[in-house]
Amino acid sequence: AQTVTQSQPEMSVQEAETVTLSCTYDTSESNYYLFWYKQPPSRQMILVIRQEAYKQQNATENRFSVNFQKAAKSFSLKISDSQLGDTAMYFCAFMTTNAGKSTFGDGTTLTVKP
Amino acid sequence: DTAVSQTPKYLVTQMGNDKSIKCEQNLGHDTMYWYKQDSKKFLKIMFSYNNKELIINETVPNRFSPKSPDKAHLNLHINSLELGDSAVYFCASSQIGEETFFGQGTRLTVV
Repeated sequence: AQTVTQSQPEMSVQEAETVTLSCTYDTSESNYYLFWYKQPPSRQMILVIRQEAYKQQNATENRFSVNFQKAAKSFSLKISDSQLGDTAMYFCAFMTTNAGKSTFGDGTTLTVKP
Repeated sequence: DTAVSQTPKYLVTQMGNDKSIKCEQNLGHDTMYWYKQDSKKFLKIMFSYNNKELIINETVPNRFSPKSPDKAHLNLHINSLELGDSAVYFCASSQIGEETFFGQGTRLTVV
């Protein structure tokens, strides 16, 4: 069974600064997918970024980038130039290639302070 | 166009009642899910259907019964509601390897 661990229940950052959210996972599979989702107070789940395990290049989406270390089973999210609208709960998720089952971490609540 | 829509958005009901939550996706996805998000915001998968067939059934009381009449719909029926069932329930859909699309969630409150 896969597990996803987010070791930081809460984090805060000053507006315009950079913050990194950590995520580690455990799996015996060699091919899989990793995601970061954002859940603002509206509770809508929004995809932030997606990484394919067989791709060594780290995914980037504007101010969001990941540091994917496959051997270490680590998938951290870096948010640059933090904005007030980034305040949300962030979930790391692991998806198998078999049946597409997704396992989510417990989430990290990020607060961006003005 | 809403990709994954679930109704109702809010549901307040008394203990012991039976209730249903409906979900529809218009994305043509093969796989649909039900997730439960508790008061601590932990997100746990309950069920997964692929092309109308149940493929994942996590440890969930058998008072919860999913029903998939077709690939685009996955409804959740809950019998004999208990206080501990209070949570936000999310319907979602995806294709393998792609983003999971979530509905807006149904906040269920059992009183």
